[in-house]
Amino acid sequence: DGGITQSPKYLFRKEGQNVTLSCEQNLNHDAMYWYRQDPGQGLRLIYYSQIVNDFQKGDIAEGYSVSREKKESFPLTVTSAQKNPTAFYLCASSMRPGQGGIKNIQYFGAGTRLSVL
Amino acid sequence: KNEVEQSPQNLTAQEGEFITINCSYSVGISALHWLQQHPGGGIVSLFMLSSGKKKHGRLIATINIQEKHSSLHITASHPRDSAVYICAVPREDTGNQFYFGTGTSLTVIP
Repeated sequence: DGGITQSPKYLFRKEGQNVTLSCEQNLNHDAMYWYRQDPGQGLRLIYYSQIVNDFQKGDIAEGYSVSREKKESFPLTVTSAQKNPTAFYLCASSMRPGQGGIKNIQYFGAGTRLSVL
Repeated sequence: KNEVEQSPQNLTAQEGEFITINCSYSVGISALHWLQQHPGGGIVSLFMLSSGKKKHGRLIATINIQEKHSSLHITASHPRDSAVYICAVPREDTGNQFYFGTGTSLTVIP
């Protein structure tokens, strides 16, 4: 079945450690996104990529890094510079903007819950 | 100021009740999205609408572009409708980025 797979479901980070969250999609979508969700707040965009080997910072990119070496994969690394990483992280994908007229639907993964030890 | 405001923040209903969730936005839009976040965290898209009304099963979404307001209605609510419902509107000139509401947490009691 087509969809977006995020792993792991739960992740724990030690002080000073970098951790990487995986996101894979088989929907043949060009665009992929990483969001952070905190209680009482709307989804906030961390990074997005509209095409392979290209990505842009979102609203809260500090302390995070991404890569887009393959169309199917968009991993997010939470670096030690991110001082408050505890949150729920969601990955999404969509057709590339401009394909399909009005704003395209984003398809979301099941999320990764990151906590600090 | 948030570009997207939802109300209520939390909602508890008895099974079978008619439910309304509201979304107001302050930006010009081409379409508005309603999303459902399951208790486990995954999000699915329910509706994308740019005018009028859309219906899918017991869910109905309406939008009034002039008033910049949308509503999500659930008829004959059921405990399996318990979820967080999120309203999202596109950011202008940003490709496919969105402003998200903070969500309405719905609990339907049997």
